[in-house]
Amino acid sequence: KQEVTQIPAALSVPEGENLVLNCSFTDSAIYNLQWFRQDPGKGLTSLLLIQSSQREQTSGRLNASLDKSSGRSTLYIAASQPGDSATYLCAVRAGGSEKLVFGKGMKLTVNP
Amino acid sequence: DTAVSQTPKYLVTQMGNDKSIKCEQNLGHDTMYWYKQDSKKFLKIMFSYNNKELIINETVPNRFSPKSPDKAHLNLHINSLELGDSAVYFCASSQSTHEQYFGPGTRLTVT
Repeated sequence: KQEVTQIPAALSVPEGENLVLNCSFTDSAIYNLQWFRQDPGKGLTSLLLIQSSQREQTSGRLNASLDKSSGRSTLYIAASQPGDSATYLCAVRAGGSEKLVFGKGMKLTVNP
Repeated sequence: DTAVSQTPKYLVTQMGNDKSIKCEQNLGHDTMYWYKQDSKKFLKIMFSYNNKELIINETVPNRFSPKSPDKAHLNLHINSLELGDSAVYFCASSQSTHEQYFGPGTRLTVT
């Protein structure tokens, strides 16, 4: 059974720091991995999708990497801003399945 | 312009009532989902439909019944609502196993 873990559950940093958010999963037979952002009271916004054959994806200040063999992904946020404050969720899709398995998320607070 | 929309946004109802939540996507996707986010913010899949056919049915009470009248719509009907059904319900869609796009959520409160 696939399990996804995000540690720590919360992080508070001053503005301008470069951040690394961690995600680990127990079964390396994944099809893809998706990072989401959730603002309070809102839905999920897809940030990056990494296919199992890829090592990383970049979008603006965000860079996500994937190491299937070790069951890990990281989301790198460069030059963090207060607007980056949100809960970040990692989700993996098993091969041949439409099901996404989510981690419990990491609440990020970027202080001005 | 909204890609995945849900109605209503908020739903407050009493125990024992029956209610429905509607979802529509205008992305042309072939797969739609219902997720439940509990009070601890943990997201878990409930159902998935591909081309109007049920393909994922997690361990969910049979009081919950999804219905997909066409590829662009997936509704969730809940019978005999219980206090424990209070949660935020999210609809999502994707083209097969590709990137999933989520709706804004429906906050259900059962009193």
